[in-house]
Amino acid sequence: GAVVSQHPSWVICKSGTSVKIECRSLDFQATTMFWYRQFPKQSLMLMATSNEGSKATYEQGVEKDKFLINHASLTLSTLTVTSAHPEDSSFYICSAGPGLRRGNEQFFGPGTRLTVL
Amino acid sequence: GENVEQHPSTLSVQEGDSAVIKCTYSDSASNYFPWYKQELGKGPQLIIDIRSNVGEKKDQRIAVTLNKTAKHFSLHITETQPEDSAVYFCAASAGGSYIPTFGRGTSLIVHP
Repeated sequence: GAVVSQHPSWVICKSGTSVKIECRSLDFQATTMFWYRQFPKQSLMLMATSNEGSKATYEQGVEKDKFLINHASLTLSTLTVTSAHPEDSSFYICSAGPGLRRGNEQFFGPGTRLTVL
Repeated sequence: GENVEQHPSTLSVQEGDSAVIKCTYSDSASNYFPWYKQELGKGPQLIIDIRSNVGEKKDQRIAVTLNKTAKHFSLHITETQPEDSAVYFCAASAGGSYIPTFGRGTSLIVHP
């Protein structure tokens, strides 16, 4: 149990376009989902926390107008990178907290590799 | 806020040897300590975790120890195998927060 999927697994786009990444909890309801960014050989950097039905909470330094997060249901959160630029190229990973299932635990998706040309 | 230090950054061992990765944390309110394994190009996978009311937990070849007084916890892998090669992250979180603070990661290389 506790499976989190992401789609797409990789995407290449042109500079200036927008890209949407989906994160789904497949076998549990996730009251809270998290979005991370990871550069090569570095740790995970938390970008934002999204709670179902409410606005996301962004970490300091993360532009909320550039990284739009929507958590429309207990099983789906989306991250949209708007007007993408080459510096947005990175590995984006979501995670979901089971909430009612077990405290503190997070389960990660497989990640999405974004390359902006 | 919480600060998690992880050492070493790189660990190279021979197949069959043991590997130990150590982490320290700063926030005495932290009570949940997961360990994640991340293979190249994939998301982190939870491999073992420990809560503050326990000093040690074992799962086959993997064990985690926690010293709350000293604020450090360690991952022990015995009889290492080449498929154990990956980056391992420790993390700490407090109370009802689901948001862990991650260490910088340890790249474990197991030579056949």
